Amino acid sequence: EAQVTQNPRYLITVTGKKLTVTCSQNMNHEYMSWYRQDPGLGLRQIYYSMNVEVTDKGDVPEGYKVSRKEKRNFPLILESPSPNQTSLYFCASSLRGRGVFSPLHFGNGTRLTVT
Amino acid sequence: DQQVKQNSPSLSVQEGRISILNCDYTNSMFDYFLWYKKYPAEGPTFLISISSIKDKNEDGRFTVFLNKSAKHLSLHIVPSQPGDSAVYFCAATLVYGSGNTGKLIFGQGTTLQVKP
Repeated sequence: EAQVTQNPRYLITVTGKKLTVTCSQNMNHEYMSWYRQDPGLGLRQIYYSMNVEVTDKGDVPEGYKVSRKEKRNFPLILESPSPNQTSLYFCASSLRGRGVFSPLHFGNGTRLTVT
Repeated sequence: DQQVKQNSPSLSVQEGRISILNCDYTNSMFDYFLWYKKYPAEGPTFLISISSIKDKNEDGRFTVFLNKSAKHLSLHIVPSQPGDSAVYFCAATLVYGSGNTGKLIFGQGTTLQVKP
């Protein structure tokens, strides 16, 4: 089954304790991205990757890191989480290319609470 | 600066009637628009899209209309069913231009409730 898998689904942590949210897709997609969803703000892009070893900042990258060492994996790293990073996080992937468009496929989300 | 706006946080309609969800955008460079549907505890799923060269796209009960001069798109669901109750996000992107980064810009979402 084609899917984007995120882990964990729920995470409660304390300020400053490093954490990683994993994301894996089995569709051989070049493009992967992280979004966060907050009330009244919709989905905002954190980071994206056009292919292996190619990553770039989205609209709200502060406090986050990513890496893309393999095509299927795109982990999101919070080196020192803060309460304002409490949010619902989604990983997504798609085929990508100039003039080629395929819709983003999203994972089921990770609910992060930072106390 | 919210480039894609959904000004109605919620909408309630009766089963069998039409649901109309609206979305406005500010960036005239956007050339592709999408609607996503999101149920609780799930990720958004793609529903329907439209290219800027069209003004209408239909898929079963779902039709998206694009008015480029007004920078406005809408999603019509006819007839509405209780299973359509979800959060709907509109999104815009640049596919054909030189600034294509693959990024989707999302609106804030509209929660649709379809009452039996």
